[in-house]
Amino acid sequence: GQQVQQSPTSLVLQEGENAELQCNFSTSLNSMQWFYQRPGGSLVSVFYNPSGTKQSGRLTSTTVIKERRSSLHISSSQITDSGTYLCAMEQGVTGNTRKLIFGLGTTLQVQP
Amino acid sequence: EAAVTQSPRNKVTVTGGNVTLSCRQTNSHNYMYWYRQDTGHGLRLIHYSYGAGNLQIGDVPDGYKATRTTQEDFFLLLELASPSQTSLYFCASSDWGLYEQYFGPGTRLTVL
Repeated sequence: GQQVQQSPTSLVLQEGENAELQCNFSTSLNSMQWFYQRPGGSLVSVFYNPSGTKQSGRLTSTTVIKERRSSLHISSSQITDSGTYLCAMEQGVTGNTRKLIFGLGTTLQVQP
Repeated sequence: EAAVTQSPRNKVTVTGGNVTLSCRQTNSHNYMYWYRQDTGHGLRLIHYSYGAGNLQIGDVPDGYKATRTTQEDFFLLLELASPSQTSLYFCASSDWGLYEQYFGPGTRLTVL
């Protein structure tokens, strides 16, 4: 099964509304990262958030390692926020093995 | 911020053809990664490396070879390309200590 579950799969908002994106992990994790991607575009790191709460402008990420979950809150959404938001986890460090496991993403569409 | 570049940005080849995708990062990161992204599967790790001359097998390695020639350069090789390898390929890099991954712009590969 999927080790990183994201919800909702898709979301449609009116401009100005808030969004809450969730990420749940089936195993323990060492750290996690949120990315933003435009259709056909590259991944841009939004937050690297091993634990706790971080804020950048209208975006806030909260990660609770013990509960294996993370959320991304977007306040006062704008049309330019449209795209796909991906979360990824690092399970742990074993020797030199370090890699991210990705969720399938939440596709956000903000309408005028 | 880390700079990761990829070439070519688009590539079309025929079944059985040879393809080399190139990636360069300029922030002296230890780790470099090759992913493919497909609808319904998300991002999947092909190969990665933690230094020049090193190669680690990822989660979907079949049909791919990779080589890390220097700290900066990581190549993905498809020696007998098949239509199933049509995909969007991303390269990424990260450091050992602060494990935040930075992605390149992507290469769209079409195998006819």
